Amino acid sequence: GAGVSQTPSNKVTEKGKYVELRCDPISGHTALYWYRQSLGQGPEFLIYFQGTGAADDSGLPNDRFFAVRPEGSVSTLKIQRTERGDSAVYLCASSPDRGRTEAFFGQGTRLTVV
Amino acid sequence: AQSVTQLDSQVPVFEEAPVELRCNYSSSVSVYLFWYVQYPNQGLQLLLKYLSGSTLVKGINGFEAEFNKSQTSFHLRKPSVHISDTAEYFCAASSGGGADGLTFGKGTHLIIQP
Repeated sequence: GAGVSQTPSNKVTEKGKYVELRCDPISGHTALYWYRQSLGQGPEFLIYFQGTGAADDSGLPNDRFFAVRPEGSVSTLKIQRTERGDSAVYLCASSPDRGRTEAFFGQGTRLTVV
Repeated sequence: AQSVTQLDSQVPVFEEAPVELRCNYSSSVSVYLFWYVQYPNQGLQLLLKYLSGSTLVKGINGFEAEFNKSQTSFHLRKPSVHISDTAEYFCAASSGGGADGLTFGKGTHLIIQP
């Protein structure tokens, strides 16, 4: 596709449930990032993939959060035992490489935990 | 770790007036700086970036920013704003060579008044 695609655009789930958020990066982009944006805040870095491997997962808040990118393209962010505090917009971005290039952001998935 | 401060949460400006959005970052051996814009219901879009070289950086839509190492600032300016500039503006920093692991400020909402 022309840009980074994230699905679903909105997700409402009950506290304690498991959710998966999907990111389709721009074709050919090797670097992929996940960020979380809470209301009134700037995006907060979660995890960065270079190819299939997580090069930096230092931003994941706890072990309920996990992300995969098995074939080096589509990535899935997985959240177990969701809590109300997980409610936020989850942003995905991709870039052609890890160099001095621009990261292109998707429109995000708005997650609401009730 | 980097930190980025945007002191102004909202900046109201009259149409065709100049504007400056302030950004300060924590000092680091090397730092790369970015300004992103987020229009309503859209993803983040890169306005401009400073990696090295000239301290005055020109971006899209008539925006520019100046890297000031002594004041650890990277303020965004535009000489004449339009209604279409109404958006949320985020300053971001990275210690790496590109857009990975960005640290964002909380954002400044630019409100253009007719």
